[in-house]
Amino acid sequence: GNSVTQMEGPVTLSEEAFLTINCTYTATGYPSLFWYVQYPGEGLQLLLKATKADDKGSNKGFEATYRKETTSFHLEKGSVQVSDSAVYFCALSENRDDKIIFGKGTRLHILP
Amino acid sequence: DVKVTQSSRYLVKRTGEKVFLECVQDMDHENMFWYRQDPGLGLRLIYFSYDVKMKEKGDIPEGYSVSREKKERFSLILESASTNQTSMYLCASIGTLQPKVQFFGPGTRLTVL
Repeated sequence: GNSVTQMEGPVTLSEEAFLTINCTYTATGYPSLFWYVQYPGEGLQLLLKATKADDKGSNKGFEATYRKETTSFHLEKGSVQVSDSAVYFCALSENRDDKIIFGKGTRLHILP
Repeated sequence: DVKVTQSSRYLVKRTGEKVFLECVQDMDHENMFWYRQDPGLGLRLIYFSYDVKMKEKGDIPEGYSVSREKKERFSLILESASTNQTSMYLCASIGTLQPKVQFFGPGTRLTVL
């Protein structure tokens, strides 16, 4: 079946460090891929998305590229801020139905 | 902007009580979802609904039921709350444009004593 695997946290970085959170997926078709973010005390919100191979999603300085050959969608940011501290979820949708499959989430702590 | 609201942010109930969690969305979305979120387990789908009075089981429906009497409202019911249902509950609805993005409510943190 379809699945999403992302690196376990917590990930702790200093402010202005480079961030990578790895995400790989298993899917039978051609899914859409997403990163959601959950700030403390809030629900999930969409951070970025990509719908086909080689698409790059970007938002708020975060980027992720849909790599079909490696079935990956790694999240990157060049210079993190304390306000980026949150839980990040990688997710996929097969587009045949409305279900989204989520990874288990990666907690990110940014130290000032 | 899509708004998904949940009736309570925090709830404390006793074992055996019947618990209602309410979710309302204001964008006329047909499809709505209930998840629970637990540390180390991520989000797990409890139930979803494709339309009024339509419902389907997700991955962990045991101990839960749902109600969708109006399009904008999707309720999760714990018939007899147990301590292992202490969790964060998240409601979501989904838009119609591809790729379909789920919009989440703020969550209800339920503690069952």
